Amino acid sequence: DSGVTQTPKHLITATGQRVTLRCSPRSGDLSVYWYQQSLDQGLQFLIHYYNGEERAKGNILERFSAQQFPDLHSELNLSSLELGDSALYFCASSLTTSGGVLEQFFGPGTRLTVL
Amino acid sequence: AQSVTQLDSQVPVFEEAPVELRCNYSSSVSVYLFWYVQYPNQGLQLLLKYLSGSTLVKGINGFEAEFNKSQTSFHLRKPSVHISDTAEYFCAVSENSGYSTLTFGKGTMLLVSP
Repeated sequence: DSGVTQTPKHLITATGQRVTLRCSPRSGDLSVYWYQQSLDQGLQFLIHYYNGEERAKGNILERFSAQQFPDLHSELNLSSLELGDSALYFCASSLTTSGGVLEQFFGPGTRLTVL
Repeated sequence: AQSVTQLDSQVPVFEEAPVELRCNYSSSVSVYLFWYVQYPNQGLQLLLKYLSGSTLVKGINGFEAEFNKSQTSFHLRKPSVHISDTAEYFCAVSENSGYSTLTFGKGTMLLVSP
């Protein structure tokens, strides 16, 4: 158990809908990262938040957004869903924000299926 | 920007045989290197990491990796694998100056059979 929790574990929805994925980082970690894992794209970095502030964006679509709240949990919002958005979405947390990443701890993931 | 190449998408091996999973990286600055393992239907778990110092790094479950700066490689090895080592293995790199995120390779599926 990494100490990172994600809910829900599975999510099935229809095209055009909007969903919210939730992540709670390890106690004491200020950084939260979101990743998308699909068979064709592999593991892709989406976005990084540190202590409530956005620090970096990766391959995140404009239909996707995220935020980190004062209690440090984070939410990833996916809207106007398409079939191609079906994937595993991982959250990870770490202590560091800059100077390189020492280690990230991954949650169990949310499996999103868009029908 | 950094990148990672895992040349083998699948590596089949028999139980108790040795295995090497290859990883090459590209970066214009010094790096930190990581190997993660993903068991079926689970998140990623850190196997080992190279930050500095000795180029031979030992991790959990009997795995080790060697950092070779001249060849920009960080290959993962285990002298004798078990059925339970069947999983997907990801190599990742982070630059150790300025801001950097983790960049992952495409992964190598290790298939251990009896």
